[in-house]
Amino acid sequence: EDQVTQSPEALRLQEGESSSLNCSYTVSGLRGLFWYRQDPGKGPEFLFTLYSAGEEKEKERLKATLTKKESFLHITAPKPEDSATYLCAVRNSSASKIIFGSGTRLSIRP
Amino acid sequence: EAGVTQSPTHLIKTRGQQATLRCSPISGHTSVYWYQQALGLGLQFLLWYDEGEERNRGNFPPRFSGRQFPNYSSELNVNALELEDSALYLCASSLTGGVGETQYFGPGTRLLVL
Repeated sequence: EDQVTQSPEALRLQEGESSSLNCSYTVSGLRGLFWYRQDPGKGPEFLFTLYSAGEEKEKERLKATLTKKESFLHITAPKPEDSATYLCAVRNSSASKIIFGSGTRLSIRP
Repeated sequence: EAGVTQSPTHLIKTRGQQATLRCSPISGHTSVYWYQQALGLGLQFLLWYDEGEERNRGNFPPRFSGRQFPNYSSELNVNALELEDSALYLCASSLTGGVGETQYFGPGTRLLVL
């Protein structure tokens, strides 16, 4: 069964303290791994799509990487405005639906 | 470029009533997806429409239904509302529904069932 597990569930960092969020997946034929940011009560905001192992993408303080079994979202020198829930999702070979992890709640203290 | 829009932003209903939620995809997108996000839970896939046809549905009872119109906008209907239907309902769109396409989300409709 296709599955996405994110860790940790919650992460509190000091401003400027770099860290990584993990997304482990089991899927029958990966057809895309997606990272989203979600603020409370709002819809997810698209960040990155990764398609194959070894691929990396960057945007401001965020960098996403992909291996055959997991993806990491690295956050460098975070600021309080980076506080949000970060969601990981995968699409399988049938492409019939996208499966989301439960997210990591990131809190950055000034 | 306008993003995915949803209406209403908030909806309050009582048990047993029906709710109708609406979604307009990004211009040029033909695929629309619906998700339920209950408080403290992850996004659960509800329905996928493409070119006016239902392509797939998640593990939800038949009282969750919808349709897609010729202009690709979509409607989600929830009949016989139950308390546990209270959630944020999110709509997303993608270009054609093809493999690997990114889904872009709207702001959601917050449904409260009393």
